[in-house]
Amino acid sequence: SAVISQKPSRDICQRGTSLTIQCQVDSQVTMMFWYRQQPGQSLTLIATANQGSEATYESGFVIDKFPISRPNLTFSTLTVSNMSPEDSSIYLCSVKGTRAYNEQFFGPGTRLTVL
Amino acid sequence: QKEVEQNSGPLSVPEGAIASLNCTYSDRVSQSFFWYRQYSGKSPELIMSIYSNGDKEDGRFTAQLNKASQYVSLLIRDSQPSDSATYLCAVLPKIGNEKLTFGTGTRLTIIP
Repeated sequence: SAVISQKPSRDICQRGTSLTIQCQVDSQVTMMFWYRQQPGQSLTLIATANQGSEATYESGFVIDKFPISRPNLTFSTLTVSNMSPEDSSIYLCSVKGTRAYNEQFFGPGTRLTVL
Repeated sequence: QKEVEQNSGPLSVPEGAIASLNCTYSDRVSQSFFWYRQYSGKSPELIMSIYSNGDKEDGRFTAQLNKASQYVSLLIRDSQPSDSATYLCAVLPKIGNEKLTFGTGTRLTIIP
């Protein structure tokens, strides 16, 4: 499977600020996703990052709050804008594997705390 | 009804015994099923995938799928303390839809 890295691994931010999370893959992948995992909860899909076009957001998530870029097939960023304590979560990027199966593999995650 | 349901646990199993983790899903046309292991503070790690009815074995892990009952399970044989983690069941609804839906996870503790 692809090797996925995320930066930063963790951060503590002040209310009202923004944080950009980077996801880098060591090989080209067709599909990249961004998930959120709130404390003690399961994973919720935020959006699908589309290369060369606007991301596809899930219900409850909007581009103004979570702008996403995907300039190429190995890199994507997620920005958490105008943060509030409710945004404190682990943010994970995932990629679809290269096999024909629909397996997805996750990066190590970014642990965000908003004060 | 939740789309993917799991018992949250905690499930405690003695070391060396078989741990059985269960998952049900609501969308009858779902095609692909996955088990992820998540250690505390870490990201989910894919450990099993299954697509056809029946059993699929990989080392100490066996995934079982019953589409008629909309049920998927994970058996861990010869449980080890290192198996203590949260196990997440994930479902892809149909071919061409790449959006995974996760259950809430079952926290498993292996007792030495």
